[in-house]
Amino acid sequence: EVQLVGSGGGLVQPGGSLRLSCAASGFDFSSYWMHWVRQAPGKGLLWVSRINGDGTTITYADSVKGRFTISRDNAKNTLYLQMNSLRAEDTAVYYCAREDSAVVTLDYWDQGTLVTVSS
Amino acid sequence: SYELTQPLSVSVALGQTARITCGGNNIGYKNVHWFQQKPGQAPVLVIYRDTNRPSGVPERFSGSNSGNTATLTISRAQAGDEADYYCQVWDSHVVFGGGTKLTVL
Repeated sequence: EVQLVGSGGGLVQPGGSLRLSCAASGFDFSSYWMHWVRQAPGKGLLWVSRINGDGTTITYADSVKGRFTISRDNAKNTLYLQMNSLRAEDTAVYYCAREDSAVVTLDYWDQGTLVTVSS
Repeated sequence: SYELTQPLSVSVALGQTARITCGGNNIGYKNVHWFQQKPGQAPVLVIYRDTNRPSGVPERFSGSNSGNTATLTISRAQAGDEADYYCQVWDSHVVFGGGTKLTVL
């Protein structure tokens, strides 16, 4: 059974840093692109970042470029999102999601991790 | 950047058919995917590549895509279908529509 379990969220002050993790199981993690998507309170879904199976191809949304870093450890079946220089507008639930090439979209999502940026 | 336009809300009577649209420039040339999100839960894929249902999604859910509009159709709407629905395409990266709140009356 495919499972994604996110962790690492919490309350952080503006300008601070936080690292999210997403533990994967039930599939060959290293063979899949992985994504981060966020959702501000009461708002819609917003794509954040994407990384390929071996970590060599990465893209970011303009709103987080230069501040966020996506990475993965295939030995640990874990995806990461390092978030620096956090702003109030980064407050959101962050989801990790698997991209399946057969359906050409995000077929499995974790439960979401809340990040609150506030003083 | 590519933009997707969805109505903020759609209402449907119990047992009737709901249609949720997703507008975009020549969206008919793109693969459109639809997600359902219930309050406090993660999004769930209900339609992929315009018309395909993942395993476990009821046949009541169907999709179409042509011209500048893609449509998610929910037949025989049930109370459990109340949720936010998001369309999604690829345009150098993942793009979501703004979401539509479906209310079943």
